[in-house]
Amino acid sequence: GAVVSQHPSRVICKSGTSVKIECRSLDFQATTMFWYRQFPKQSLMLMATSNEGSKATYEQGVEKDKFLINHASLTLSTLTVTSAHPEDSSFYICSAAPGQGVLYGYTFGSGTRLTVV
Amino acid sequence: GQQLNQSPQSMFIQEGEDVSMNCTSSSIFNTWLWYKQDPGEGPVLLIALYKAGELTSNGRLTAQFGITRKDSFLNISASIPSDVGIYFCAGQRTGANSKLTFGKGITLSVRP
Repeated sequence: GAVVSQHPSRVICKSGTSVKIECRSLDFQATTMFWYRQFPKQSLMLMATSNEGSKATYEQGVEKDKFLINHASLTLSTLTVTSAHPEDSSFYICSAAPGQGVLYGYTFGSGTRLTVV
Repeated sequence: GQQLNQSPQSMFIQEGEDVSMNCTSSSIFNTWLWYKQDPGEGPVLLIALYKAGELTSNGRLTAQFGITRKDSFLNISASIPSDVGIYFCAGQRTGANSKLTFGKGITLSVRP
């Protein structure tokens, strides 16, 4: 089945530093990947849609200079949280769809717990 | 942004009982998806529904795509302790690789 690998699973960083999170589709190609943020006991909030070979599409209210997305290949998208602050601490999850997404549903990564101290 | 309506926020059932969860929307979706999320993990797809009126089963799980395309339900039969988790519904409109809209999720607890 479709597998999405997300790395790292947990990261602690100092305030002001940048953190990169990787999302890989292991056994399929994904032209589109999605990045979500989830606060405790809340639903998934879509941050941006990552498109291979082109600029990401950000949701309203999400700072594109703060959350840099690069989708350089059909199997890898990265999210970089720049100049992280404690309020950026959250659970970040990516998802991707094999083939035509509307027919297969989306597979999610296992998430990255970011703690900014 | 828009969210799908899921309530109540939490459900508590006895092991062996059946449980039903509903998800509603004020607008139409062309695909409905049900996910389960365990603590500290990403959501896992349980069932995907692609046609209005469709009824699909996956083991002890059954889900239906409402005929109006504005709702869906998920049934879990003969619950077991490992059914504990957060259940999200998600809707998708037309277009491959279009984004999902999620419900707030229902936290299910199963008493042994």
